[in-house]
Amino acid sequence: ETGVTQSPTHLIKTRGQQVTLRCSSQSGHNTVSWYQQALGQGPQFIFQYYREEENGRGNFPPRFSGLQFPNYSSELNVNALELDDSALYLCASSARTGSGNTIYFGEGSWLTVV
Amino acid sequence: DAKTTQPPSMDCAEGRAANLPCNHSTISGNEYVYWYRQIHSQGPQYIIHGLKNNETNEMASLIITEDRKSSTLILPHATLRDTAVYYCIVRPISSGSARQLTFGSGTQLTVLP
Repeated sequence: ETGVTQSPTHLIKTRGQQVTLRCSSQSGHNTVSWYQQALGQGPQFIFQYYREEENGRGNFPPRFSGLQFPNYSSELNVNALELDDSALYLCASSARTGSGNTIYFGEGSWLTVV
Repeated sequence: DAKTTQPPSMDCAEGRAANLPCNHSTISGNEYVYWYRQIHSQGPQYIIHGLKNNETNEMASLIITEDRKSSTLILPHATLRDTAVYYCIVRPISSGSARQLTFGSGTQLTVLP
């Protein structure tokens, strides 16, 4: 049990639509990051939020955006969906305390774009 | 972040120890070694991490060589439920603004009955 919950678990969208994925982290975990995992590949870092501000981003276009809220919840928004956006989207959280802090993952949201 | 090299796949007999190697020859002094695993269609699960000393927890042991250029994750008594992809990741102690994990291809461990 990681204390990181994601919703929805599965969804299907049409190309060009927009999607919002949600994540709830453990209390005290003020850093949240999102990853995309295509089938057969390792997770790829999308971006990270700390204290409601984006403070790190991977190689993803601006149509991938996010929000972090004071209650340790967060969202990943993807606009103008493309077929290649079909993937498992993972939320991960950690406490920004000391060194060697552990990052915990949720079970992910499976997005299929048709 | 330093790059890691892992064998793509390994088999292990149920009940035996599974020893998963990882090479991280370019690791720097301020980088930890982390291990995660991912069972099919689930989120990555944290296993263990270490800096330079060997570490043990209820899931596994982590052995880091003295020069820190390689490590081995040991599952002492593998079960069928340990079948998963195992990722070895090196990560700075403090990544500053970006504290992400960089995943490689991992090792597919298959525990055989």
